[in-house]
Formats: sequence, structure tokens, C-alpha cells
Amino acid sequence: DTGVSQNPRHKITKRGQNVTFRCDPISEHNRLYWYRQTLGQGPEFLTYFQNEAQLEKSRLLSDRFSAERPKGSFSTLEIQRTEQGDSAMYLCASSLGGLSNEQFFGPGTRLTVL
Amino acid sequence: DAKTTQPTSMDCAEGRAANLPCNHSTISGNEYVYWYRQIHSQGPQYIIHGLKNNETNEMASLIITEDRKSSTLILPHATLRDTAVYYCIVRVAAGDDKIIFGKGTRLHILP
Repeated sequence: DTGVSQNPRHKITKRGQNVTFRCDPISEHNRLYWYRQTLGQGPEFLTYFQNEAQLEKSRLLSDRFSAERPKGSFSTLEIQRTEQGDSAMYLCASSLGGLSNEQFFGPGTRLTVL
Repeated sequence: DAKTTQPTSMDCAEGRAANLPCNHSTISGNEYVYWYRQIHSQGPQYIIHGLKNNETNEMASLIITEDRKSSTLILPHATLRDTAVYYCIVRVAAGDDKIIFGKGTRLHILP
């Protein structure tokens, strides 16, 4: 257990539905990252927060995706009008920054879109 | 694109040292070599990182060549629990950079 938690761990939804995932980072970590991982591939970066500010978004993050970190603590990732291609593992990571900048990953949320 | 090249898969006998190679011929002077691993159905786990000197911690050793164009992660006494995908990554340590993962090396520890 790295101290980063994600909920739910699994989500099955029908195409066209909206889903929301939550990430709780390690409490003193001010940086929070979202990644997506499909079968057989390494994780791909989606977006990154420094405290409550969203500083970078990947081109993978289409306009159906939105992420928030309203109080600089937990974060949510919402996918609107889900498509089958959104099926993946969604991973959250947090870090303290500085010279190490080691990222600690949560267990992920596995999304299946039927 | 990932800046590293790793073998797709490797086998290692339990109790032996597992040596995982990584090529990073385009590494910049301010980029570190990081290693993460991902056990099945879990998130990636940080292992070790280094700039140019060899590094050792409780999990592994990292050997970086003098020209920094390649490195080797060494698990000194592999156990079945070390079966995982191992990712070699180059990145600026103190930057805000996201991690760019490649496909990694799938390490199988054989009983």
C-alpha cells in the first residue's frame, strides 16, 4: 500500500454513460497525476495538478474528460458519454516534488465500457 | 515516445540475480535514469533512480555505464514476487515532468 487510494477499483458502465473516479493522494503531496493504461501497454500520462491548479493536459484528454482537484487534496476524473475505447485502467499518482520527485501510484480504477 | 529501449521479456531462476538492461543513448545531461515495476493488477512501484553513479537500495542496484547510454537494474536474489513488468525511464528529476512509460520488460521468475 503506497498511501494513494482510488475509488472505485472497478467500474462497468454502458456506452454513453458518465463515470467519475476519485483519487486520494498521500496527504502532504502537492502534485497529483492521472494516467491511463490499456492492456499490454505502459501507462500514458493524462493530466497533472500542482495543488489545485491543473498545469498540463495530454492530447489524450479529449473534451469528454475533465479532472478537478478543488481543494488541492483529492482529485476526480470524469468521463462523459463513455465509449468502448475508454475501457482501460485509470491510475493516479502523487509526489512531493523536489530532487527526488518520486511518484507513488494508487492501485487504479479499471473501467469497462460495454 | 519513450526514450529507452528494453527487451520485451526475460526469465530468471528464483534465487539468482536478475539483470535487466536498458538502452538510453539519447539521454541528456540533466536526465536521471528511473526504474519502476508493475506487478499484475497493481499500480507501478518506484524502485530506484540515479544520475551517473551506481546506486543501491533495499530493493535493487542500478549500474549506469560511464557514457550514461545504458544501464542495468540488478535484483540480487530474485523471488517469485519479483515477477512483474519493469520500466526504465529517463526524466529530469526535479522537474514537473510526467513519466513517459515504454512497454517495459516482462520479467518471469521461474521456480
